[in-house]
Amino acid sequence: DVKVTQSSRYLVKRTGEKVFLECVQDMDHENMFWYRQDPGLGLRLIYFSYDVKMKEKGDIPEGYSVSREKKERFSLILESASTNQTSMYLCASKDAGRDTGELFFGEGSRLTVL
Amino acid sequence: AQSVTQLGSHVSVSEGALVLLRCNYSSSVPPYLFWYVQYPNQGLQLLLKYTSAATLVKGINGFEAEFKKSETSFHLTKPSAHMSDAAEYFCAVTHSGGYQKVTFGIGTKLQVIP
Repeated sequence: DVKVTQSSRYLVKRTGEKVFLECVQDMDHENMFWYRQDPGLGLRLIYFSYDVKMKEKGDIPEGYSVSREKKERFSLILESASTNQTSMYLCASKDAGRDTGELFFGEGSRLTVL
Repeated sequence: AQSVTQLGSHVSVSEGALVLLRCNYSSSVPPYLFWYVQYPNQGLQLLLKYTSAATLVKGINGFEAEFKKSETSFHLTKPSAHMSDAAEYFCAVTHSGGYQKVTFGIGTKLQVIP
């Protein structure tokens, strides 16, 4: 089974802190994604990466950056956390070689910014 | 461009009753369509998918969905609701190609009343 692991399930940070959310997948997937999930808004794509060191902005990239130095790891960075970034963050991966588009998700990281 | 509209952010059904969760999509190219389910405090997992083969798709836990091109719909159904079906359900769209992003709807929370 594909496993996508998010390092922190729950985080509490203060406004202005730098925040790192880590995601690791063990199935050699090329594509990786970061979404945020908010009630009434569903999942919104922040960034995605289709290969090592490659990244593309999603629909709401402002205030975020990403890093993909190794194929299995995709990190989301909040350079200066703000209260409006309090949310559930979901990482997902996808096998680019299989043309079916199925995403495999981690269990999520719930971030609270005070 | 692609988008998904889920009608009804909350749906309540009685145990044993029909479940119907609505999804309409917009896509400029032939779509791939998905339903994902999210149980409390977990990530999303795939329920079923349509990738241009049979228009009636069967998934896990007795769910199925029918792709109707003329109506741009992909509604999710289950003949008889079970208490364990209480969860949030997300419809998603993408299209052919290994590097395509996936767009989600806002989600529908299903409540099952005993």
